[in-house]
Amino acid sequence: DAKTTQPNSMESNEEEPVHLPCNHSTISGTDYIHWYRQLPSQGPEYVIHGLTSNVNNRMASLAIAEDRKSSTLILHRATLRDAAVYYCIRYSGGGADGLTFGKGTHLIIQP
Amino acid sequence: NAGVTQTPKFQVLKTGQSMTLQCAQDMNHEYMSWYRQDPGMGLRLIHYSVGAGITDQGEVPNGYNVSRSTTEDFPLRLLSAAPSQTSVYFCASRQANTGELFFGEGSRLTVL
Repeated sequence: DAKTTQPNSMESNEEEPVHLPCNHSTISGTDYIHWYRQLPSQGPEYVIHGLTSNVNNRMASLAIAEDRKSSTLILHRATLRDAAVYYCIRYSGGGADGLTFGKGTHLIIQP
Repeated sequence: NAGVTQTPKFQVLKTGQSMTLQCAQDMNHEYMSWYRQDPGMGLRLIHYSVGAGITDQGEVPNGYNVSRSTTEDFPLRLLSAAPSQTSVYFCASRQANTGELFFGEGSRLTVL
């Protein structure tokens, strides 16, 4: 049970913004939303995380809905190197809770 | 800063053979874990550890053993390999109570 729902794949053009949606309608009040991405033949890498407020870092922005039942990862200007599988994950904290990875969204970037 | 180092990167085994996948991290992270990833699938948690001397099972632990004698190392043992264990294995670590996992580059295992 991945606890989140994402589209299987999305396609975008290079140098355009990309909005990757994630549904987490059963999220609890203390669960964080984490995003990871996995480039071909590599291990996943952390992208961004948030709890209630929108978050920005050098890689992306995370917009969290007011009711926290959904969120959107925003890549402001996609490049070919952003082609990857993006995973949206609920994390409830604590030392013993491993992150549950679903199948993610396969992002295809067209030149 | 090496981060999370996995060895070997590639391994071919025959059914019934045993082997150990090594994982080491140099970030003094308390939490370490092993995942497997099958083609077209997400990652599934095999075993994890919240500190030296403490290990626990994840979603798919059968056929695998782990130990955590030091903070740095978290080896994954296959006692009797089966073709169903053909997969890519990822080791990861993080500080306690944070979700940011750092992953190794993966170990691709084929069991014939």
